[in-house]
Amino acid sequence: GAVVSQHPSWVICKSGTSVKIECRSLDFQATTMFWYRQFPKQSLMLMATSNEGSKATYEQGVEKDKFLINHASLTLSTLTVTSAHPEDSSFYICSARDRGYQETQYFGPGTRLLVL
Amino acid sequence: QKEVEQDPGPLSVPEGAIVSLNCTYSNSAFQYFMWYRQYSRKGPELLMYTYSSGNKEDGRFTAQVDKSSKYISLFIRDSQPSDSATYLCAMKVAGTASKLTFGTGTRLQVTL
Repeated sequence: GAVVSQHPSWVICKSGTSVKIECRSLDFQATTMFWYRQFPKQSLMLMATSNEGSKATYEQGVEKDKFLINHASLTLSTLTVTSAHPEDSSFYICSARDRGYQETQYFGPGTRLLVL
Repeated sequence: QKEVEQDPGPLSVPEGAIVSLNCTYSNSAFQYFMWYRQYSRKGPELLMYTYSSGNKEDGRFTAQVDKSSKYISLFIRDSQPSDSATYLCAMKVAGTASKLTFGTGTRLQVTL
C-alpha cells in the first residue's frame, strides 16, 4: 500500500516551454501533497505544500508564478514549470500524506527535467 | 547549526556486515522519526517510522530513538549489495501542518 506515482518519469524540453508533472496517490487519499526539488548528491529541498482544494504554500525563495501547483482532488496534484529555463533542470519529487495516517509521507519515484 | 545532522559518508562495508547509520537533532519538539532509503535517480522509500524512544524492528532493519540524547539510529543486519543507497533520516513535530526536516543523507556502499 501507500503508493505514489509520478508522470512523466523524465522530460526534455526547449527553453521557454511549460512542463506539467502529475503526482497521484494510488491507494490512499492525500489531503496534503508536497513538492521537492533535488540536485545531484544533495538532500531534498521542499518547494511547496499543497492541500486539496486550496492554494499551495510556497517555501521562501520559490517563485509561485514559475512553479504552479494545483491540488484538485484527494489523489492528484500537478506541478507546472512555466517558461522553463536550463537552470530549472533538476529532479522533482512529490510526496503525499495519507489522510488517515497523517504523521508520515510517501514519495513518488521522481521526475527528471532537462531544459535545453 | 542545522536542526538535523547526518554524516554524508560515503560509508563502505563488506557484505554481511552490520551497518549503523545515525542522526542527531537539536529540536526537542521533534516527535516522529523516519528513515528513508533512496536509490540513485529514484524517490525516497519509507523504511521505518517511529514515535517513541526505544527500538523498532522490521526484518533486517532496526530503528532506535533516544529522545533524551536527541539521537536516532538505523541498524541494518546482514547487509547486502542491494542495500547500497543513500539513507535519509527525517523527523517532524506533531501536527498535520508540520513539515519533515531531513538530514543530508548517508551514502552506503555494500561491497561483495
